Amino acid sequence: DIQMTQSPSSLSASVGDRVTITCRASQSISSYLNWYQQKPGKAPKLLIYAASSLQSGVPSRFSGSGSGTDFTLTISSLQPEDFATYYCQQSYSTRSITFGQGTRLEIK
Amino acid sequence: QVQLVQSGAEVKKPGASVKVSCKASGYTFTSYDINWVRQATGQGLEWMGWMNPNSGNTGYAQKFQGRVTMTRNTSISTAYMELSSLRSEDTAVYYCARASGICSGGSCYYMDVWGKGTTVTVSS
Repeated sequence: DIQMTQSPSSLSASVGDRVTITCRASQSISSYLNWYQQKPGKAPKLLIYAASSLQSGVPSRFSGSGSGTDFTLTISSLQPEDFATYYCQQSYSTRSITFGQGTRLEIK
Repeated sequence: QVQLVQSGAEVKKPGASVKVSCKASGYTFTSYDINWVRQATGQGLEWMGWMNPNSGNTGYAQKFQGRVTMTRNTSISTAYMELSSLRSEDTAVYYCARASGICSGGSCYYMDVWGKGTTVTVSS
């Protein structure tokens, strides 16, 4: 299975900060990388697909980049509603889709 | 609107089976895969497998091979996930999610619509 490693595991930041979360794959996954946001008690929400494509309805302060094994999710200016847990997911192999362990973004 | 509506919470005894349903509306059910993902309390997301509602073809995570079965009833636009030989470690919220491969270049596969989740509790 392809392993996905996110860093950091948790992060404290303030409203207005620029935040970057990193995801590394154990082998090349081209651009088959998606990012999800999850709030407590809610289903995950798709933010970014194919590494850098913004899902419809998602604010433009969210952006994604990378290809191969290294990827980043950037939030340009944190808003109060952005405090949540973020997961990367690889879908290069639909025989074995895997998620990162998650990054918990907390208010400083 | 496009949505997936899941069945209600279940409580099962160890060794039993559970079958969770996921009813699609607002889009053509047979045009998109359905994936199942679970999440134990306080833990991360764990992918269980996928099903193509058009063909009925399935693919399961190795961890669940032999214990999970994904099926569908196209006449009522509903997907099902059945997990057998339940143990306490299967206590989790189970999500169904629609998966799409629509993007420029065609090199993508992402879950864009999610159900609200079904809580399955396994306890003696």
